[in-house]
Amino acid sequence: AQSVAQPEDQVNVAEGNPLTVKCTYSVSGNPYLFWYVQYPNRGLQFLLKYITGDNLVKGSYGFEAEFNKSQTSFHLKKPSALVSDSALYFCAVRARANTGFQKLVFGTGTRLLVSP
Amino acid sequence: DAEITQSPRHKITETGRQVTLACHQTWNHNNMFWYRQDLGHGLRLIHYSYGVQDTNKGEVSDGYSVSRSNTEDLPLTLESAASSQTSVYFCASSEGGRMNTEAFFGQGTRLTVV
Repeated sequence: AQSVAQPEDQVNVAEGNPLTVKCTYSVSGNPYLFWYVQYPNRGLQFLLKYITGDNLVKGSYGFEAEFNKSQTSFHLKKPSALVSDSALYFCAVRARANTGFQKLVFGTGTRLLVSP
Repeated sequence: DAEITQSPRHKITETGRQVTLACHQTWNHNNMFWYRQDLGHGLRLIHYSYGVQDTNKGEVSDGYSVSRSNTEDLPLTLESAASSQTSVYFCASSEGGRMNTEAFFGQGTRLTVV
């Protein structure tokens, strides 16, 4: 069965330091991987996706993610964190269910807290 | 600009009442979804639709129903609201037929069942 794991409920980082939010996945076939961000009282906003090609994917707001097939990981990264990056981050994988439906499976989310 | 909107943003209802949450998208997407978000569970799929007149059950569909009479709307109905259905509900849409397209989300409806 398709699944996504975000092993950290919360990540704390000081402003200006690099940040990493971890994600591992399990899916049969080619993985289509996504990162979303949720600010308080808002819906999820798309950050970036990996479909194929370069293992390092660049997205919105200076975020990037590194796809590692051997480790089945898709960690979100940013070289220099901002206080405004504090939010809830979701990793998701899209896979085709038996019915043919393009199921989007989410992790449980990681809260990022960037301190001044 | 295309968008996806949910209404109401907040709703308080009593146990046993029927409640309908609205979702309207102007992306002209074939795929639409309803998720609920609960602490410790992330987002769980309630129902989804491939297109007009198509509806399917997700992983937590008990007590919920949807209908798809046009491309733009996928209302979610709680037949008889229960306290366990207190949650934040998100509607989303995506292009049909392709695995590599991202989903777009509404801003959510916070439902409290008392």
